[in-house]
Amino acid sequence: KNEVEQSPQNLTAQEGEFITINCSYSVGISALHWLQQHPGGGIVSLFMLSSGKKKHGRLIATINIQEKHSSLHITASHPRDSAVYICAVRGTGTYKYIFGTGTRLKVLA
Amino acid sequence: GAVVSQHPSRVICKSGTSVKIECRSLDFQATTMFWYRQFPKQSLMLMATSNEGSKATYEQGVEKDKFLINHASLTLSTLTVTSAHPEDSSFYICSASMSGSSGNTIYFGEGSWLTVV
Repeated sequence: KNEVEQSPQNLTAQEGEFITINCSYSVGISALHWLQQHPGGGIVSLFMLSSGKKKHGRLIATINIQEKHSSLHITASHPRDSAVYICAVRGTGTYKYIFGTGTRLKVLA
Repeated sequence: GAVVSQHPSRVICKSGTSVKIECRSLDFQATTMFWYRQFPKQSLMLMATSNEGSKATYEQGVEKDKFLINHASLTLSTLTVTSAHPEDSSFYICSASMSGSSGNTIYFGEGSWLTVV
């Protein structure tokens, strides 16, 4: 079992839909990142969380440390949101990151 | 905001040759940078941790003589794939961590697609 699990692996949505991507991890962490990778390969860090909730535009990220779970929400989804969303955690006492396998999101117009 | 630049974005080389990929932190000093490899539809795999002024730390299974890492300054780390073979064809991406009041934020380069023919 991977230390970082994401669900779903693939997701197709219609434009305007509310989207949720989940990340569960099995290790103690000091931080969790949500990353976005576009087809060209480049990766952008969307959020860094250690507790609570963060919001940026149409994106919302939450984390529950006790349950070792985080969610990324996209409100009013748009075709330009189509990308791979990756959850990455930094283990406690380490500088290394463990990456989930990603969720491939496709938003149809 | 902080930016990590990676070059080249795409490179094609012949089998047996070497290719160098650069990773630069443009507006912050990065004492530590990370190199990853990503196979199609798979997650990023950490290859090595690049430390400024010292030897890189390689992950288990990564050949240090094949993937040479040099971190000569606080803003530049390079990955050289030596004696490249077609199986080395992959997406390579670097990252750097910047410390801030809210913790460490990681920034990724744009990635480099390597094709060995």
